[in-house]
Amino acid sequence: GQSLEQPSEVTAVEGAIVQINCTYQTSGFYGLSWYQQHDGGAPTFLSYNGLDGLEETGRFSSFLSRSDSYGYLLLQELQMKDSASYFCASHTGTASKLTFGTGTRLQVTL
Amino acid sequence: GAGVSQSPSNKVTEKGKDVELRCDPISGHTALYWYRQSLGQGLEFLIYFQGNSAPDKSGLPSDRFSAERTGGSVSTLTIQRTQQEDSAVYLCASSLGLVDGYTFGSGTRLTVV
Repeated sequence: GQSLEQPSEVTAVEGAIVQINCTYQTSGFYGLSWYQQHDGGAPTFLSYNGLDGLEETGRFSSFLSRSDSYGYLLLQELQMKDSASYFCASHTGTASKLTFGTGTRLQVTL
Repeated sequence: GAGVSQSPSNKVTEKGKDVELRCDPISGHTALYWYRQSLGQGLEFLIYFQGNSAPDKSGLPSDRFSAERTGGSVSTLTIQRTQQEDSAVYLCASSLGLVDGYTFGSGTRLTVV
């Protein structure tokens, strides 16, 4: 089967840096994506890692280590609007199909 | 349109009734996906369409669920004889490829009473 584990909740202060970890157990693993979802909203795509290493997109970076079956999302210079749920998702099989983790709820405080 | 459009946005139905949920993907996106999300939970894969290939139905929870995609564009998810456990937000997404990610619609909130 496929499973992805993330912390259920993380709290951080505005302006700080936070790392959300994701460990996965998936057969036919192809890559790892990250999505953000605000309460009541639709998930929005943040990043994709098909190769080991770091991908940077503005304040957000994502990392993948295939040998450790592990990835993380790094959010820098946190803003109140970053309060949301963050999901890692693995690509398997046909590569386009995603299996989502249960999500990490990030609360940014003053 | 500019985004993925889903209708209706909310649907309340009586247990045992059939419902149809509609998804209009981004023009040109060949891949279309249906997921559902229960309150406070992750996204559960239901079905995946890619071009003219046979759909991947491996996530459909029972034979009461079916979906079709007409003309490589609009998709309809049908739930027959709805049950209370079917209550969830049903999300549709379309995609061009891995690097571009999925674009999700705003979802249909289904409540079975």
